[in-house]
Parts: sequence; C-alpha cells; structure tokens
Amino acid sequence: SAVISQKPSRDICQRGTSLTIQCQVDSQVTMMFWYRQQPGQSLTLIATANQGSEATYESGFVIDKFPISRPNLTFSTLTVSNMSPEDSSIYLCSVDRDATYGYTFGSGTRLTVV
Amino acid sequence: AQRVTQPEKLLSVFKGAPVELKCNYSYSGSPELFWYVQYSRQRLQLLLRHISRESIKGFTADLNKGETSFHLKKPFAQEEDSAMYYCALSGSGATNKLIFGTGTLLAVQP
Repeated sequence: SAVISQKPSRDICQRGTSLTIQCQVDSQVTMMFWYRQQPGQSLTLIATANQGSEATYESGFVIDKFPISRPNLTFSTLTVSNMSPEDSSIYLCSVDRDATYGYTFGSGTRLTVV
Repeated sequence: AQRVTQPEKLLSVFKGAPVELKCNYSYSGSPELFWYVQYSRQRLQLLLRHISRESIKGFTADLNKGETSFHLKKPFAQEEDSAMYYCALSGSGATNKLIFGTGTLLAVQP
C-alpha cells in the first residue's frame, strides 16, 4: 500500500495564526483527501484534492479557511487559517483506494489552538 | 444522501464472547463498504472491505443490501481487539470520497 508521511505530527498554535500541514506519498496518486477528527468525534471530510485543479470542498468547509495545494501527484498541503480554539482537532490526509489495501491514511496532525 | 450509521458508541464484552459491531448505510447506488480500526496511539488502518470477502484477525463482515447493513462480527473476542472501529462507505462514481460512521469503541474485558 502507499506510504504517507504527514507533518507536523502535532503543534500548539496561537489563535489568529495559520498552520500548514504537509502530506507526502511514496507513489503517485490521483486523489488525496483531507479529513478532520474533532475530539471524541468521527472523521469528517474537508476536501478532495486533485492535481492540477481546484480542491473540492464539502459542505461547511471553505477555501478561505482551509486552502489546499496539490502541486504534483505525490504531495499536498492543507492550511488552517486564522485559527480559533474550535479548530483544535486531528487533521489527516488520505489517498485514494489501492486495489488491495483500500484508502490509506497518514498518521495525523494533532492541532491545539490556544 | 450518503450516510453511515453506527448506533453504538461503546460496546463492552468479556474475552471469549462473541462480538457484533453494527453498521447501517444509506446510499442510492452501489457502494463499497469498509471497516477501519484505530488502536490506541496508532494510525487508522483498513480491517476489511466487502469486495474482498476476507477474514482478518478473525473478523468478518457481510454486505446485506436488503437491510443496507455491513455488521462486523467475531466469534470470540480477544483483549487485543480493544480499539475504535469505524464503518465507512465509498461511492462507485468518479468522486471516491470515503464517508465515515461515528465509530464504536470496543472494550474487551479480561
């Protein structure tokens, strides 16, 4: 299966600042996905990132708050902008299904906003 | 609309007891169903997918299209099965996004 390196693994940030999370995949993938997992909650899809096009955002998520870059088929970034304590969550990237292993997930970024 | 429902937030069983984690879904086409597991301090990993029809770590799950269910079962629970289990659904279209249920925490008591 694809191997995903996600960083940073955790960060503590001041409100009003921004954090960029990076996701590197060891093979080329068509689609990459960004999820949020709020404390005690399930995973919620933020957006789907295709190389060479604008990301597709789910209801409740907007590009100004969560800008995404996808410069090539192995890399993507998610920025959490103008952070507030409500943005404290785990953010995960995922790549589209492998015929054998299904969707693969990064180890997550645990963000705390103070 | 796509939706995955896991009615139980917590399921506590004793070691050696049978386990059934419930999952129901709503989808208008032909979905692909998955079970993911997250052990303490580990990343989310695939446990089962319905198209492979495999048994992993003693767990099985059968897709019942009539009841729109994909329940996860194991005849004899082990303490190492204690983890968070998520049922998830993906559509068959071009947008292969994965939608998760709310998860069930399985606690296997000694």
